[in-house]
Amino acid sequence: DTAVSQTPKYLVTQMGNDKSIKCEQNLGHDTMYWYKQDSKKFLKIMFSYNNKELIINETVPNRFSPKSPDKAHLNLHINSLELGDSAVYFCASSITTGGAETQYFGPGTRLLVL
Amino acid sequence: QKEVEQNSGPLSVPEGAIASLNCTYSDRGSQSFFWYRQYSGKSPELIMSIYSNGDKEDGRFTAQLNKASQYVSLLIRDSQPSDSATYLCAVALSGNTGKLIFGQGTTLQVKP
Repeated sequence: DTAVSQTPKYLVTQMGNDKSIKCEQNLGHDTMYWYKQDSKKFLKIMFSYNNKELIINETVPNRFSPKSPDKAHLNLHINSLELGDSAVYFCASSITTGGAETQYFGPGTRLLVL
Repeated sequence: QKEVEQNSGPLSVPEGAIASLNCTYSDRGSQSFFWYRQYSGKSPELIMSIYSNGDKEDGRFTAQLNKASQYVSLLIRDSQPSDSATYLCAVALSGNTGKLIFGQGTTLQVKP
């Protein structure tokens, strides 16, 4: 069973469209994240939710809107897609044990905006 | 100055050699440090975490942390071609927000 899953795996769309990416974790973790990895492989955090509450909101265009219906799901909706949004988007979830937090990543969604 | 810096490489080592990967960070208050391995087209996979100064060994991997020098490294002994991947250093910022800052990654090539 996949611990952190994302759909779709690949997404090809036209500039200006609106799209959503879904993430689910079955690990029972309280915290979930969205990361963006650009063409240079630089991985950068976008958002973090803890038990459905927004914790981290980096300097991300407001075209990006995360939604957490419950603590096992964190979705990412992107409005008015731009060429620069092309990247791999990773969802992650984390658990804190002994005061140390460990993050586990999903398989990624490869977004290509044409 | 970047918050987490790594040499992007590629670092090329022969099979059986020791690969040494280095990372420096700028947040003096950071307490948690991680090494992730990412194969091409795949997601990052956690291979080591370290929280205290010194060495931490797990199989062929050893993580080393020096908070005074703001330096963390990963040694891979008896390198195998299957170790060829990009290794990402990640540092949890102080303040217990859970926010990880990643370096740009070092690409390791192990040649048979």
